[in-house]
Amino acid sequence: AQKVTQAQTEISVVEKEDVTLDCVYETRDTTYYLFWYKQPPSGELVFLIRRNSFDEQNEISGRYSWNFQKSTSSFNFTITASQVVDSAVYFCALSEAVDSNYQLIWGAGTKLIIKP
Amino acid sequence: DARVTQTPRDKVTEMGQEVTMRCQPILGHNTVFWYRQTMMQGLELLAYFRNRAPLDDSGMPKDRFSAEMPDATLATLKIQPSEPRDSAVYFCASGSPTGLLGYTFGSGTRLTVV
Repeated sequence: AQKVTQAQTEISVVEKEDVTLDCVYETRDTTYYLFWYKQPPSGELVFLIRRNSFDEQNEISGRYSWNFQKSTSSFNFTITASQVVDSAVYFCALSEAVDSNYQLIWGAGTKLIIKP
Repeated sequence: DARVTQTPRDKVTEMGQEVTMRCQPILGHNTVFWYRQTMMQGLELLAYFRNRAPLDDSGMPKDRFSAEMPDATLATLKIQPSEPRDSAVYFCASGSPTGLLGYTFGSGTRLTVV
């Protein structure tokens, strides 16, 4: 079974729309970490956020916000007022203290296309 | 900004040749990963080091791939002999053990084996 599921393969929206990227994870560990990374067309992987399993507070950073809900094992990412520069592949990843010894387990990624 | 440095940036080689990719992790980071990315397989973990010791290299084809950390400032990934199916982008990443400030990725080495 996949431990990190990003069910949306590709999303296309028009600039200035809000968009939410879904991430659902599966773990037996009580201590774990969730990450989001951005991979723009240039190819580098850019770290966006890390959240630990004991902190369910939502996070906002400019136009980006993250909603962590342990009850639904989800860690969704919302971009408000999207811009063309947000076009990229976004990856969600899980790191478990015990089961995976802190290795990153990656989702398949969601390709986000922002049209002008 | 501290960076993870990978060399070479691009490499084209003939099948059967040896390829060595290098990575300089960020100073003070004791956890290093090697990943391979292809369109078909996505991001695959090849090797994982902590304090220079290999923790997991189960994702690496052992007959042709090897990964080492001769010192804390250098990680190497070697393919010998290379095959066309090894064509991919190889990423190195470094961080603290729990990724407290995230794992920082290098720019990658784009390998093409012809």
